[in-house]
Amino acid sequence: AQKVTQAQTEISVVEKEDVTLDCVYETRDTTYYLFWYKQPPSGELVFLIRRNSFDEQNEISGRYSWNFQKSTSSFNFTITASQVVDSAVYFCALTRLPGLGGAQKLVFGQGTRLTINP
Amino acid sequence: ETGVTQSPTHLIKTRGQQVTLRCSSQSGHNTVSWYQQALGQGPQFIFQYYREEENGRGNFPPRFSGLQFPNYSSELNVNALELDDSALYLCASSLYDEYLNPYEQYFGPGTRLTVT
Repeated sequence: AQKVTQAQTEISVVEKEDVTLDCVYETRDTTYYLFWYKQPPSGELVFLIRRNSFDEQNEISGRYSWNFQKSTSSFNFTITASQVVDSAVYFCALTRLPGLGGAQKLVFGQGTRLTINP
Repeated sequence: ETGVTQSPTHLIKTRGQQVTLRCSSQSGHNTVSWYQQALGQGPQFIFQYYREEENGRGNFPPRFSGLQFPNYSSELNVNALELDDSALYLCASSLYDEYLNPYEQYFGPGTRLTVT
């Protein structure tokens, strides 16, 4: 069975601080994909990144960076110089290759509520 | 914005009633998935439709059913509503290709269902 754990329920920091959101996953599949989504108060999940299990290169996109470590089954997300607009609930998700005709099912963690205070 | 739209935005129903939620996929996408998100929880996969057929289901009873139409829009139907069905229902569209690449799913704003 697949499982995603986001141990940090809530994080609160002051603007301009760096913050890291942890994600640990469990899967028996050798090929899988990891995602991060942002959910602002409006409710819509906003896609941030997709990473497959064969690509362990870290990725940076502006103030966002992701650290994928297969050895520890972790896919952590760091926001540098946080801003008030980063306040949201962030979800880490996992999916396997669906197989021919199969469904792509995202397994989500419980989410981390991030509050950036001015 | 993703281009995925859902209606209605909010809905209040009574236990035992039936409800239909609607979703319009992003242009170019051929797959639609539905998720249930209870308050304070991560979304839970209900089912996915591809080529107008259900091709996968999560741990939800048969009273949760759906449809996908030729224009890739979709409906989620829930019969015999229970209090625990109160949640945010999210629709997501994506592209499914013959190479089985799981592309990112783009979510709509959701429908907030309250069952009293």
